[in-house]
Amino acid sequence: EAAVTQSPRNKVTVTGGNVTLSCRQTNSHNYMYWYRQDTGHGLRLIHYSYGAGNLQIGDVPDGYKATRTTQEDFFLLLELASPSQTSLYFCASSVGTGNAEQFFGPGTRLTVL
Amino acid sequence: GDSVTQMQGQVTLSEDDFLFINCTYSTTWYPTLFWYVQYPGEGPQLLLKVTTANNKGISRGFEATYDKGTTSFHLQKASVQESDSAVYYCVLGESSGSWQLIFGSGTQLTVMP
Repeated sequence: EAAVTQSPRNKVTVTGGNVTLSCRQTNSHNYMYWYRQDTGHGLRLIHYSYGAGNLQIGDVPDGYKATRTTQEDFFLLLELASPSQTSLYFCASSVGTGNAEQFFGPGTRLTVL
Repeated sequence: GDSVTQMQGQVTLSEDDFLFINCTYSTTWYPTLFWYVQYPGEGPQLLLKVTTANNKGISRGFEATYDKGTTSFHLQKASVQESDSAVYYCVLGESSGSWQLIFGSGTQLTVMP
């Protein structure tokens, strides 16, 4: 079973702050994803990647950057955090896309004051 | 574009009750449909995947089917237990471009002992 870990698990920052969320997967999956989860919206895709150095734009990318440094590591960057980015963030990985099962990490709760 | 609608935001049942959750979907291609479950404090995990209309997916006592005529898909369980309390997401595998997952807004199932 795929192992996906996220850090930190909780983060509080102020408006305009700089935040980096980290994700690591140890099952050699090609695809990695960042989602945000908000009440009434389910999970919405921010960015995804199909390999080191690759980045694809998801459905809600505004205000977020991401970088995939290795096959294992995927980072989400908020360079000027805003209160609207207060959310629960999930990272996931999968072998492929489309029909492939995605394995999710435990989530990072971010609060922007 | 592809979309999925999940109308039941909250469902409260007693142990041994019958569970039925319904979603509708829209796609121009052959759908791949999933049910993910999220327990408190965890990320979502795959419960069931259905790739062929009117064929059942079965896992952990849950059954899922979809109907092309009504573009709906369903999750059911004959007898729920308190341990089934969780959020259930219907998910559509997007088929016309990004090949990503489109999540419904989720159904919070609470099972009373």
